[in-house]
Formats: sequence, C-alpha cells, structure tokens
Amino acid sequence: DTGVSQDPRHKITKRGQNVTFRCDPISEHNRLYWYRQTLGQGPEFLTYFQNEAQLEKSRLLSDRFSAERPKGSFSTLEIQRTEQGDSAMYLCASSLTETRKNIQYFGAGTRLSVL
Amino acid sequence: LAKTTQPISMDSYEGQEVNITCSHNNIATNDYITWYQQFPSQGPRFIIQGYKTKVTNEVASLFIPADRKSSTLSLPRVSLSDTAVYYCLVGDYSSASKIIFGSGTRLSIRP
Repeated sequence: DTGVSQDPRHKITKRGQNVTFRCDPISEHNRLYWYRQTLGQGPEFLTYFQNEAQLEKSRLLSDRFSAERPKGSFSTLEIQRTEQGDSAMYLCASSLTETRKNIQYFGAGTRLSVL
Repeated sequence: LAKTTQPISMDSYEGQEVNITCSHNNIATNDYITWYQQFPSQGPRFIIQGYKTKVTNEVASLFIPADRKSSTLSLPRVSLSDTAVYYCLVGDYSSASKIIFGSGTRLSIRP
C-alpha cells in the first residue's frame, strides 16, 4: 500500500453516461497526477496539480475530461458523455517536490469499462 | 523530450541476476533516471532513482555510465514474484507531461 487511494476500483458504465473518480494522495504531497493506461501500454500522462493549481494538461485530455483538486487535498477526475474509447485504467499518483527527484507514488487505479 | 528505449521483454530463471538496460541518448543535464515496477491491475511502484554512477537499495542496483546515455537496472537473485513490467523514465520532473513511461520491459521469471 503506497498511501495513495483511489475510488472506485472498478466502474462499469454505459456509453454517454458521466463518471467521476476520486483520488486521495499521501497527505503531505503537494503534487497530484492523473494517468490513463490501456492494455499493454505504459501510463499516459493526463494532467497534474501542484497544490490546488492545475499546471499542465495533456492533449489527450479532451473537453469531456475535467479534473479538480479543491484545497490541494483529494482530486476528482470526471469524464462526461463517456465513449467506448475511454475504457482504460485511470491511475493517480502523488509526489513531494522538495527536490528535482520528485518520485511519484501511485494508487491501484480505477478500471473503467464503457459498454 | 528525453525518449527511452528498452527491450520489450526478457525471460530469466529464479535465482539469477537480471539486468535490464535502457537507452536515453538525449538525456539532459538536469534529468534523473527513475525505474518503476508494475504488476497486473496495480499502479507502478518506484524501485530506484539515480543521476550518475551507481545507486543501490534493498531491492535493486542502478548503473549509470559517465555519459549517462544509458542505464542498467540490476535485480539480484530474482524470484517468481519479480515477474512484472519495468519502466525506465528520464526527466527533471519540472514538467510532468515530459515524463514518458513508454511500453516498458515485460520480465518473466521461470522456476
């Protein structure tokens, strides 16, 4: 257990529905990341926060995706009008950026299946 | 972007030492080299990180030559539980979007 928790672990939804995932990072970590991973591929960066500010977003993050980190604590990732191509594992990670090293600690992920 | 190249897959046997090499020819001065391990249905787990020369911890060693254009993760006396995907990452982490996982190396350990 890395200390990063994600909820739910699994989500099955129908195409066109909205889904929301939650990530609780390690409490003292100021950075929080979201990744998407499909079968046989490495995690792909989606977005990250430093405290409550969303500093970077990948071009992979379409307008249907939105992420928040109110008060710099937990974060939510919402996908609106889900499509079958959104089916993937969504991973959250957190880190403490006191040096350049910035080691990321990952949660177990939320597996999304869009039917 | 500092792109990395590593073997798609490797096989070994229990008790052997396994070395996985990662090539990163355009590594920048401020970049660190980090290795992660991932088991099925789990998030990646940090193994080791280094900047130059050799780093050793309780699970692995990381060898980095003077030119830093490659690195080798060394796993001593592997067991079946070391079967996983191993990712080599390069970056200074000032820009998260520039840290690319790639497809990793799928290591299979046999009895």
